[in-house]
Amino acid sequence: GENVEQHPSTLSVQEGDSAVIKCTYSDSASNYFPWYKQELGKRPQLIIDIRSNVGEKKDQRIAVTLNKTAKHFSLHITETQPEDSAVYFCAAKRPEYSASYGKLTFGQGTILTVHP
Amino acid sequence: DSGVTQTPKHLITATGQRVTLRCSPRSGDLSVYWYQQSLDQGLQFLIQYYNGEERAKGNILERFSAQQFPDLHSELNLSSLELGDSALYFCASSLHVSGTDTQYFGPGTRLTVL
Repeated sequence: GENVEQHPSTLSVQEGDSAVIKCTYSDSASNYFPWYKQELGKRPQLIIDIRSNVGEKKDQRIAVTLNKTAKHFSLHITETQPEDSAVYFCAAKRPEYSASYGKLTFGQGTILTVHP
Repeated sequence: DSGVTQTPKHLITATGQRVTLRCSPRSGDLSVYWYQQSLDQGLQFLIQYYNGEERAKGNILERFSAQQFPDLHSELNLSSLELGDSALYFCASSLHVSGTDTQYFGPGTRLTVL
C-alpha cells in the first residue's frame, strides 16, 4: 500500500524565518496531496492541498510544491509567526478508480516551533 | 468549526468494555471516514463509508466495526477494549467520492482505556 515519509520530525525556527517540510510518497497512482495543521488536542485542519496536475500552489505565506517524477512534495511557510507553531501532517490519496480510494495516508508529522 | 460533529468528546472506560463513538458529517457530505491517532502510530485510516455503504477499509481491528445510517451519521463501535486502544478517534467527511475531495475533520473523541 501507500507509504508517506515526512521530514523533519521536529523543526525549530525564529519568527520571520522560513520553514520547509518535505514528504515522499510511494504510490505513483496518488493524485491528491493535502497538508493539515494540528494544534495540541485539536482536530487536523486543512491548510493547503495540491492536485497531481499542478506543480505549485500558493496561499499567502503558505506554498506547496509537487514533483511527480521524484514522488515528493513540500510545504513552504514564509515569514513564520508564533501562531504557526503546531504539528503539520502531509497526506496522499489515490484516485477514484483505485482500491482503497478515499483513504488518506498520512506522514508521521512535523512539530514546528516558531520562537518569538 | 469544520461542521463535522463528534460525541462524546471524552470517554473513559475499562478494559474489556464496549463503546460507541458517534459522528455527524457536514451538511450535504455523503462520505464519512474514521481515523485513529495515537502517539506511536500517528494518524491511521480505519474505514470509509459512502452513502451508507462501506467503501474502503484500513487496518481496522476485528473488534472494531462501523456503520453509516440513512441520515448519514456514522457510529464506530469498539469492543473488548484493550489499553492500546486508548487514542484520539477522528471522523472526517467529504462531499462525495471523488479523486480529490477535501476531507474535513471533526473535533475528535479522546478514548482512555484503564
